[in-house]
Amino acid sequence: NAGVTQTPKFRVLKTGQSMTLLCAQDMNHEYMYWYRQDPGMGLRLIHYSVGEGTTAKGEVPDGYNVSRLKKQNFLLGLESAAPSQTSVYFCASSRIADPTDTQYFGPGTRLTVL
Amino acid sequence: AQSVTQLDSQVPVFEEAPVELRCNYSSSVSVYLFWYVQYPNQGLQLLLKYLSGSTLVKGINGFEAEFNKSQTSFHLRKPSVHISDTAEYFCAVSDGNQFYFGTGTSLTVIP
Repeated sequence: NAGVTQTPKFRVLKTGQSMTLLCAQDMNHEYMYWYRQDPGMGLRLIHYSVGEGTTAKGEVPDGYNVSRLKKQNFLLGLESAAPSQTSVYFCASSRIADPTDTQYFGPGTRLTVL
Repeated sequence: AQSVTQLDSQVPVFEEAPVELRCNYSSSVSVYLFWYVQYPNQGLQLLLKYLSGSTLVKGINGFEAEFNKSQTSFHLRKPSVHISDTAEYFCAVSDGNQFYFGTGTSLTVIP
């Protein structure tokens, strides 16, 4: 039982390049989330998914797209990376569609956009 | 949207001393409250959560937090810290739809 895993752990992009971050969970959780963590700003929700095939916008969705084609995977895409997207990205999942349920976090992906 | 304020960005404390990390939130409606810990180069782990009932919540690693509705606070405490408690601590609030995180408090335990 690996929990929540994220691929890759580190990445450096040039402005305008694209990339996809992969999040995988093996706990059969319904909800999955993508957050970004910036110094002095805590975690901010980018997008989330309430189940396979469904996604919704969070607090800071601009410049990102997501897909949840399989229940266990949640992909975060950057179509044209910008330096403002330099951040640490965390994926999380929770068992049910209940705000009281615990979120389980992955180890993070550190992205630098030059 | 909710807002979560962690009043101290950095808290240094000597080993075996008590510590309190402060958290205030903005809403007067019913919310769910959480404390997470982040060790270096790791994701967040849940320390404890308040959903309802007793205002004193006990969590893992000897931490506890007290919910104060009138002061809209949810302060985290530990009576005696260890070196291994050195980490970043995040307070979070859920209004039933989304989670809102504070900016974090960096706890450094000094030997």
